[in-house]
Amino acid sequence: QTVVTQEPSLTVSPGGTVTLTCASSTGAVTTGNHPNWFQQKCGQAPRALIYGTNKKHSWTPARFSGSLLGGKGALTLSGVQPEDEADYYCLLHYDHVGGVFGGGTKLTVL
Amino acid sequence: EVQLVESGGDLVQPGGSLRLSCAASGFSFSHFWINWVRQAPGKGLEWVANIKGDGSEKYYVDSVKGRFTISRDNAKNSLYLQMNSLRVEDTAVYYCARGTNDAPGLDVWGPGTTVTVSS
Repeated sequence: QTVVTQEPSLTVSPGGTVTLTCASSTGAVTTGNHPNWFQQKCGQAPRALIYGTNKKHSWTPARFSGSLLGGKGALTLSGVQPEDEADYYCLLHYDHVGGVFGGGTKLTVL
Repeated sequence: EVQLVESGGDLVQPGGSLRLSCAASGFSFSHFWINWVRQAPGKGLEWVANIKGDGSEKYYVDSVKGRFTISRDNAKNSLYLQMNSLRVEDTAVYYCARGTNDAPGLDVWGPGTTVTVSS
C-alpha cells in the first residue's frame, strides 16, 4: 500500500516563510508523481493551488510555490498572511495506482 | 464560470446502494478527466476514482473496486458514482473534481455531497 506522508502540523508567524513537504513510501518523489497541493479551510471544499510539481492555477496567489526538495514534494509559502491558516494536502500520482493524498498539514499562523 | 455541483448524498443502511451525480457547466465537459474524492468526518482527503473524457478509461482506489462504478454522460454534462454494498467506512463528503489538462492534477472542485452509512 502506497503511503504519502506530510507534517501533521506547522506554525508560522505572519510575514514569515514556511515549507510543507510530501514524502512517498515508494521512494523519492519525482516530477513523474506530478505533485499537487490543495488548501482546505474549515467547512469548505478544497481549493487547488499547485499541479505538475510547480504549475500555478490562475487563482493561485504568487506567495505560493511548488518544488521538489530533498526527495520530497514541497509547497513554500512566502510572506504568510493570516488567511493562509488552513489544512494543506498534497496529492501524488502513481502508475496503476491512481492518486494518493497525504494525510494533510494543519498550518497555524501565529 | 466553470462549476461542478454534486447531488444524491443521503443516509443509507450498510449493504445498501446509492448513486451520486455531478453536474458540470462552463467548460467542454467531454474533454476532461473527472474525479471523485471523499473525506470522512474529521479525516483527510481520499482519491476514489476517475474517468477519462470519452469514458474509455476508469481507475479506482482498491477499497472501492468491485463495489463502486464511475460513469459519465457527456450529452448531459454529468458524472455519476454508483455505490453498492456500502459500508460504514464509506461515510464521507464526496467531491467531484475536474482533472487538469496539461499535467495530472485536479483544479475545480464541487461543494460536495454527504453520504452517511449507518443502521
